[in-house]
Amino acid sequence: GAVVSQHPSWVICKSGTSVKIECRSLDFQATTMFWYRQFPKQSLMLMATSNEGSKATYEQGVEKDKFLINHASLTLSTLTVTSAHPEDSSFYICSARVLSLARTYEQYFGPGTRLTVT
Amino acid sequence: LAKTTQPISMDSYEGQEVNITCSHNNIATNDYITWYQQFPSQGPRFIIQGYKTKVTNEVASLFIPADRKSSTLSLPRVSLSDTAVYYCLVGTGGFKTIFGAGTRLFVKA
Repeated sequence: GAVVSQHPSWVICKSGTSVKIECRSLDFQATTMFWYRQFPKQSLMLMATSNEGSKATYEQGVEKDKFLINHASLTLSTLTVTSAHPEDSSFYICSARVLSLARTYEQYFGPGTRLTVT
Repeated sequence: LAKTTQPISMDSYEGQEVNITCSHNNIATNDYITWYQQFPSQGPRFIIQGYKTKVTNEVASLFIPADRKSSTLSLPRVSLSDTAVYYCLVGTGGFKTIFGAGTRLFVKA
């Protein structure tokens, strides 16, 4: 299946600093990627939809100025958590949309990035 | 987006067949059903996808009745390594995907 990578896999940063997380589709092109956040023992929460060459679409309640998303190429989307605070500590997961041979869409997920803000 | 309802948790023993049912009463005509598996601190992994009747692959089967208001993921002969959270999602896939609470499957020896 399609492979999606994320970098870094984990990061610790100080409160007030910014952190960038990369999401790459390794063997396919993805015009659409999605960013999720997951807190312990909870389900994935969609943060935003990232479209190559255009602005991201954010879900209600997600601050677009705090979570900057850039989808500059067909294989790379980045999420920057600006002025991070301890409450931003979470597991961030990206996914890429792929059109299957059956002409249906499938999503392939990255391994996730554990962010800890101290 | 169609809302899904799954059992919160299930227990099973190694070697048993496990069936997890998902309800999606307001599924739309163009929606299909996708199941994912997630281990702790990992991203979800695609298991199977279907639109109607039965779909089978090397790891699971998906049963969808004619009215498509529910679906059942069947895992044959589970092992300890199948302990995970299983998510049922309904949609076109081309649009945003909303995850429900999922089902925590615990396989015991």
